[in-house]
Amino acid sequence: DIQMTQSPSSLSASVGDRVTITCRASQSISSYLNWYLQKPGKAPKLLIYAASSLQSGVPSRFSGSGSGTDFTLTISSLQPEDFATYYCQQSYSTPYSFGQGTKLEI
Amino acid sequence: QVQLQESGPGLVKPSQTLSLTCTVSGGSINSGDYYWNWIRQPAGKGLEWIGRIYTSDSANYSPSLRSRVTISLDTSKNQFSLRLSSVTAADTAVYYCAREGRILTVGGVYNWFDPWGQGTLVTVSS
Repeated sequence: DIQMTQSPSSLSASVGDRVTITCRASQSISSYLNWYLQKPGKAPKLLIYAASSLQSGVPSRFSGSGSGTDFTLTISSLQPEDFATYYCQQSYSTPYSFGQGTKLEI
Repeated sequence: QVQLQESGPGLVKPSQTLSLTCTVSGGSINSGDYYWNWIRQPAGKGLEWIGRIYTSDSANYSPSLRSRVTISLDTSKNQFSLRLSSVTAADTAVYYCAREGRILTVGGVYNWFDPWGQGTLVTVSS
């Protein structure tokens, strides 16, 4: 099974900041990496698929990069609605797996 | 616009079977274009993939749950279901259903979960 590790587990930032979250896979997963945002009490929402493709309707301040084992999610200028928990997920092979999450706090 | 909605008992006794249904609206579950997934999240913890189904003959399960899980399709009702047997307190979680979208590119077939249902809390307790 493929293990996904995110860092940091939590992050404090301010509105307008540029933020980067990292995700590492236990083996190469090419570009089979997705990013989700989850707010309390809500289902996760897809932000990025295939490592760097922006889901329709997602603001352009979100971007993803990486391939192989190391990936990053960058938010170029934090907005108040961006404070949430972020998860990476590998879709290279089943069983699919998620990172443990990164909680982005004000 | 496709929407998913989970339903089922919110309380299950230990050793019994958890049964949930996901109703799909705005699109056909029988189109053959998508996998249909179950994912769960214990309170305050991360997301765990349970399994998926493509057709009635094609399902994949998490190895850690395979011995207890069955996912099935009911195309007449545009629903898919989850059954998890011999539950314990460790199975207490919010359960989500999700469609697995995909795109075929030169580089391969890329999959992701979207949309998701709103989630339903299942508590295992006597």
